[in-house]
Parts: sequence; C-alpha cells; structure tokens
Amino acid sequence: AQTVTQSQPEMSVQEAETVTLSCTYDTSESDYYLFWYKQPPSRQMILVIRQEAYKQQNATENRFSVNFQKAAKSFSLKISDSQLGDAAMYFCAYERGADGLTFGKGTHLIIQP
Amino acid sequence: DAMVIQNPRYQVTQFGKPVTLSCSQTLNHNVMYWYQQKSSQAPKLLFHYYDKDFNNEADTPDNFQSRRPNTSFCFLDIRSPGLGDAAMYLCATSRMSAGANVLTFGAGSRLTVL
Repeated sequence: AQTVTQSQPEMSVQEAETVTLSCTYDTSESDYYLFWYKQPPSRQMILVIRQEAYKQQNATENRFSVNFQKAAKSFSLKISDSQLGDAAMYFCAYERGADGLTFGKGTHLIIQP
Repeated sequence: DAMVIQNPRYQVTQFGKPVTLSCSQTLNHNVMYWYQQKSSQAPKLLFHYYDKDFNNEADTPDNFQSRRPNTSFCFLDIRSPGLGDAAMYLCATSRMSAGANVLTFGAGSRLTVL
C-alpha cells in the first residue's frame, strides 16, 4: 500500500521569505501522480500543484514549485515570496487512480508578518 | 460557478442518533468521494462512487453507508454515530479520464457527537 509521510507538523516563515515543505512517499508503482493541496482554516481544500512521475522536469505554478526526486521518493514544495494568504494546512498526496488520494498528515504553515 | 456543495456545514447529533450529510456537484464529474478528517490527521477515504459503482475501503466501518441517487448528489449516512465519529467529512469529485485524477473538494461538514 502507498504511504505518504510529512515529517514537519508545523513550519513558520517570515512574509516574503521562502519556505520548503517536505514529503516522502512509498510506492511500488512506476507511473503515478503527486499533489500538494492547501486547506485554509474553515475553507475547502484546493489544489496547489501536481507532478507526473514520468516527467523529470519539476512542476511550477507561479510562486509554488516542487523538487521531485523519484529515486528518493521525495516530493517537496517550495513557496517563494511567502504571503499572508499562504497560511494554511498543506497536504501532500499520492494519486491512486480512480481510488482517489492518499494524504500525508499535513504541515501547518504559519506566515509571520 | 461550478462547484461542490456540502450540507450542512455544521451538524450536531446525539450519540446513536442517525445523521445524513449531503454533497452536490455541478461539475458533471463521474466520481464522488467521501473522506473523514479528524483533528490534526490526514483525510481518510471512506468510500467512493465511480459512476454508479460503489467502492468501499476495506477498513470503513459498517456504521457508514453512502447513496448516490444521481450524478449530482451523494449522501453519507452514519447509522449510529459514536463519539469517535466526530470529524470533518469532506466530499470530493473528479472526472476520471486519461491523465491525473484531480479532485475538487467541498468545504466540508463538521460533525459533533454529544
């Protein structure tokens, strides 16, 4: 079974600085997708970024980028120029096809003004 | 706007009193999921519908049931809620096709059991 591990329960960063959230996963599959979702307080979970395992190039979405290391089964999220609106729980997730997502326990990101 | 709507947002029930949570979507997605998220924990998949086909996770208690009367609606029934069932329940939808299965989530229904 696939597992997803986020080892940082909480991270804090100064506004405008850069922060990296860690994620590792375990799978025996070779083709799969990985995601980072953001869950602001009392609001719905939204997709931040996704990565196809067969692509070597790291995905980027504006201030958000990933460092995907397939051999190491590592999938970290880098947030550049952190903003107050980035404060949220961040979940790393592994796609199980139509069976949905397996999530990590999440990292609570605090933005210090 | 196309979206996933969950009702109610907050539900308080008594120990053992049945409760139903609803989810509706205007995205015309063919897959609908129910996740349970307890405080400070990862969302845990309970079950999902792929079109009309129901797929139960192996460790989902029998206390949890689901219905999908049509493409747009899906219900989560908790037959006899226990204190341990207090959680946020998340509905999500997706259009399963080639490529990544991207889930769209509702805002969640928070269940309190007294």
